[in-house]
Amino acid sequence: DAGVIQSPRHEVTEMGQEVTLRCKPISGHNSLFWYRQTMMRGLELLIYFNNNVPIDDSGMPEDRFSAKMPNASFSTLKIQPSEPRDSAVYFCASSRDGGNTEAFFGQGTRLTVV
Amino acid sequence: GENVEQHPSTLSVQEGDSAVIKCTYSDSASNYFPWYKQELGKRPQLIIDIRSNVGEKKDQRIAVTLNKTAKHFSLHITETQPEDSAVYFCAASRAYKYIFGTGTRLKVLA
Repeated sequence: DAGVIQSPRHEVTEMGQEVTLRCKPISGHNSLFWYRQTMMRGLELLIYFNNNVPIDDSGMPEDRFSAKMPNASFSTLKIQPSEPRDSAVYFCASSRDGGNTEAFFGQGTRLTVV
Repeated sequence: GENVEQHPSTLSVQEGDSAVIKCTYSDSASNYFPWYKQELGKRPQLIIDIRSNVGEKKDQRIAVTLNKTAKHFSLHITETQPEDSAVYFCAASRAYKYIFGTGTRLKVLA
């Protein structure tokens, strides 16, 4: 397996634009996480899916953020409209069994909102 | 709420010396404690983990200890090498939720 695959690797966008980040988890993993990493706040859990169902979205900062997982092999994180303070590295991770096993991280998407 | 404190935030050691990073967690129901290493510009990757029914685990130069009563766990790296330089994150997990520490930037000086 190629691991967790994220795209794009880098995204630069203007304030107010819509941004969509994509993730393909490892096949067979039932859990998918979206994290945001910044120097100030470290690794923050944004949302957790189990078997494609959103279980915990309490970390989603605002209504401008939304996430979907239409099937077991694909998830998106959307920011609309984007703001400069959304600039961060966004990681997708997957695991076989929630937080009871290793979470495998994707390469991340470095988002810059200007 | 759930919290994981990690210390120190930065650590510099001479090559060959040992490094110790400590974490304290607040949720007594946490039962899985992974450690991740993140090199500059790369993804976090698991280096070792321990479960709540185990007090210590070792893998070559890396070891982790867990004290459930005190709710703290530590990462020990012996005979450090320049390639150990990275940011290390601890995490405490219960059910689906990993709570990460704020990270320790380890520099191994040659």
